[in-house]
Amino acid sequence: EVQLVESGGGLVQPGGSLRLSCAASGFTFSSYSMKWVRQAPGGALEWVSYISGSSSTIQYADSVKGRFTISRDNAKNSLYLQMNSLRDEDTAVYFCARDYGLGGVSYGMDVWGQGTTVTVSS
Amino acid sequence: DIQMTQSPSSVSASVGDRVTITCRASQGIGNWLAWYQQKPGKAPKLLIYVASNLQSGVPSRFSGSGSGTDFTLTISSLQPEDFATYYCQQASSFPPLTFGGGTKVEIK
Repeated sequence: EVQLVESGGGLVQPGGSLRLSCAASGFTFSSYSMKWVRQAPGGALEWVSYISGSSSTIQYADSVKGRFTISRDNAKNSLYLQMNSLRDEDTAVYFCARDYGLGGVSYGMDVWGQGTTVTVSS
Repeated sequence: DIQMTQSPSSVSASVGDRVTITCRASQGIGNWLAWYQQKPGKAPKLLIYVASNLQSGVPSRFSGSGSGTDFTLTISSLQPEDFATYYCQQASSFPPLTFGGGTKVEIK
């Protein structure tokens, strides 16, 4: 079964750090680009970060650039998001998602994890 | 950045109704649009990609159309399991990847 499972969320104070993990199974992880998407309470979906299969291309939303770092370990079938200097507005459910497309073109995201909740509060 | 605007923000409908949701891009995106369904407490689910292509396993009552700046998602006959929030997402210009604000389909 194709599956993504996030972990690492929790309660953290403003200015603190957290590392999210996403464990992939059921597919050849290294062949797929991956994304992190978040959703604030009651809010819409917001793209956070992207990493290509080989880690050669990495992108960030302006709202997290310089504070968050995406990475992956293809040998461990795992995706990560290191979040530093956390702010109240980073409070959200964080989803990892598999990119879906052909020939390097992304059509969307076809496999999603269940999400992990990050709460930034003093 | 390309802004995606969905309308309406919510719609009340009955089982069996035809429901249409609109998504407008702030500039032309060709056919590079995806639609997702999200139920409370769950992850989004890909329904439609490249504007009109049905994702594997998605019921045929869902359909997508449009190109350029204006797109629609249609549910031909609403079923109980279709009550959810629907999001559009442009895949034309990246970064950033942008989503619409969502349309909540509620029971009338």
